[in-house]
Formats: sequence, structure tokens, C-alpha cells
Amino acid sequence: DVKVTQSSRYLVKRTGEKVFLECVQDMDHENMFWYRQDPGLGLRLIYFSYDVKMKEKGDIPEGYSVSREKKERFSLILESASTNQTSMYLCASSPSWVGETQYFGPGTRLLVL
Amino acid sequence: GNSVTQMEGPVTLSEEAFLTINCTYTATGYPSLFWYVQYPGEGLQLLLKATKADDKGSNKGFEATYRKETTSFHLEKGSVQVSDSAVYFCALKNQGGKLIFGQGTELSVKP
Repeated sequence: DVKVTQSSRYLVKRTGEKVFLECVQDMDHENMFWYRQDPGLGLRLIYFSYDVKMKEKGDIPEGYSVSREKKERFSLILESASTNQTSMYLCASSPSWVGETQYFGPGTRLLVL
Repeated sequence: GNSVTQMEGPVTLSEEAFLTINCTYTATGYPSLFWYVQYPGEGLQLLLKATKADDKGSNKGFEATYRKETTSFHLEKGSVQVSDSAVYFCALKNQGGKLIFGQGTELSVKP
């Protein structure tokens, strides 16, 4: 079974703090993704990566950055957290071929005070 | 551009009722279509998928047929259970490989 793990289930941070969200997958997938999930808006893509050290902006990259130093690990960084970044963050991974699905982690619920 | 539209929730049904959750899409080319389910407190799990027109995806009693002529991928189940209570997301995957999600439909099944 594919396993995607995220470093925290719940996180509380203060405005202006630097926040790291970690994601690890154990299936040697090329592609990894970060989404945020908000009520009524579904999932929105923040960033994705199709290879080590490669990254592409998604639909809402502002206020975020990412790092992929190893194939299995994809980090989402909030350089200076703001209250409007309070959300559920979901990581996913997939193999590179087009028809294949994405496998999701359990999510990190982030509250920025 | 590519987009997915789902019926709004919440949907509340009694156990053993018939379920339909509507999903329509707009896409260029020939996308793959997916239904994901999110149980309370968990991440998303793939429920079923279809990769070409007229394909039927099925899993756990749920099914959906890829209808190119109506650009739809409606989710159905003949008899829902309390354990089916969750949020259901329709999604498409375009040639660029990104998933595009609908806004999600919450299903609540009462005993």
C-alpha cells in the first residue's frame, strides 16, 4: 500500500512565524503536490514537484514556498504565517504517467493566531 | 479552462436510500475522471476512476460512468450505509497531470 505521511495532524502558530510542513512518501513517486482545503472551495493546488529540486507553482502559490531535496520528501514553507493561511493542508504523490491517481496524506490542520 | 462542478451539499439520506451526486466537467482534450472520498478527520482516498469515454468505474458499491456527450461523471450507489457518510470530491486530470477538484459534496446518512 502507498503511504503518504505528514509531520503533524494539528499545528498552532502565531502570525509572522515561519512554518514548515513536511510530507514523506514511500512509493518512489516522481510527482508530489501540496493543496489547501477550505470549506466551499474544495482543494486548491499550491505547488507541485515532478522531480528532485524541481518545483512548479500551482493556482495559489502566494505566501508559500517549497523544497524537494530528496525524492521522498516534499516540504511546504510559510515564510511569515498569516491568519488567512489557517486551513487544512494536504500532501499527495503520484507516479509520472498521466492516467494514474494521486495518493493523499491525512492532512495537517493549521491554525494561525 | 478546465473545471469541475458538483452538486451542492449537504445531502442527507436515510440508510438504504439511493444516492446520486452529480458532477459535470469542462475540459480540453480527453481527461481522466476520478471520485475521491474523505472520511471525517482523514485525507482523501481514491474511490473510483475512469480514463476514457463510456468507461465505468466502480468500487464498494459505488459506480460512475464517463459520459463525454454530457460531460458528466455522476456518482451513484444503490443502497447507502451510515458508514458512507463523508465528503465526496469529483476531479479531473488533464494532459498537464494536475488534478482539478470540484468543491466537494458532504453526504450524511442517518440510520
